[in-house]
Amino acid sequence: SQKIEQNSEALNIQEGKTATLTCNYTNYSPAYLQWYRQDPGRGPVFLLLIRENEKEKRKERLKVTFDTTLKQSLFHITASQAADSATYLCALEYTDKLIFGTGTRLQVFP
Amino acid sequence: DAEITQSPRHKITETGRQVTLACHQTWNHNNMFWYRQDLGHGLRLIHYSYGVQDTNKGEVSDGYSVSRSNTEDLPLTLESAASSQTSVYFCASGTSGLLNTGELFFGEGSRLTVL
Repeated sequence: SQKIEQNSEALNIQEGKTATLTCNYTNYSPAYLQWYRQDPGRGPVFLLLIRENEKEKRKERLKVTFDTTLKQSLFHITASQAADSATYLCALEYTDKLIFGTGTRLQVFP
Repeated sequence: DAEITQSPRHKITETGRQVTLACHQTWNHNNMFWYRQDLGHGLRLIHYSYGVQDTNKGEVSDGYSVSRSNTEDLPLTLESAASSQTSVYFCASGTSGLLNTGELFFGEGSRLTVL
C-alpha cells in the first residue's frame, strides 16, 4: 500500500529564514501532489498542487518541488513569518483516492 | 460566500448509539468526502461521493455509512458507535474527481467522543 512520510517532529525556525518541509512516499508514482495548511482546531486549507511532469511550482513565498525519481516533494516557505506557524500536510493521489501524510508542525519564532 | 459546514462541532455519545454527522456545502461541488483525523495517523478517508446517489468506501469505512440524496449534503452515520471511533471528522468537497486535480475545501471538523 502507499505510504507517505512527513517528519513528525516539529520544525522550529527563526523569522526571516527559509523553512523546508519534506514529504516522502513509497510504492507508487502519483499523478499529482498537494500541500495543505492546518491551524489548530481548523480544517486543512489548500495551498499548492504540483503535477508529476512539473519540477517546481511557486506561489508568493511558497515553493514546491516534486522529484518522482526520489519519490519526494519539498515545500519551502521563504522569509518565514510568525503567521506561518501551523501544521503542513502533503497529500497525493493514489488509486482514485487522496492520501494524506501525518503533517509537520512548523513553529516560527522571532 | 460559498462554504462547507459541519454539525455538530462537538458531540459526546455512548457506545452502541447511532450518530449522524452532517455536512452541507454551498459550492455546488459534485464530489464530497469524509475523513477522520487521529494523532499518528493523519487524515484517513472514510467514504466519498462523486454525485447524487453515488457513494464509495474509503480505507476505513467499517462501521460508517453515507448517503447522497442531493448535491449539497453528505451525512455520515455511525450505526453503532464504538470507542475506536472517537476522533475528529472532516468533511470536504471538490470540483473534480480524485483522478483529476483540484483542491479540496474542508469543513471545520466535528469532534466526536464515544464513551
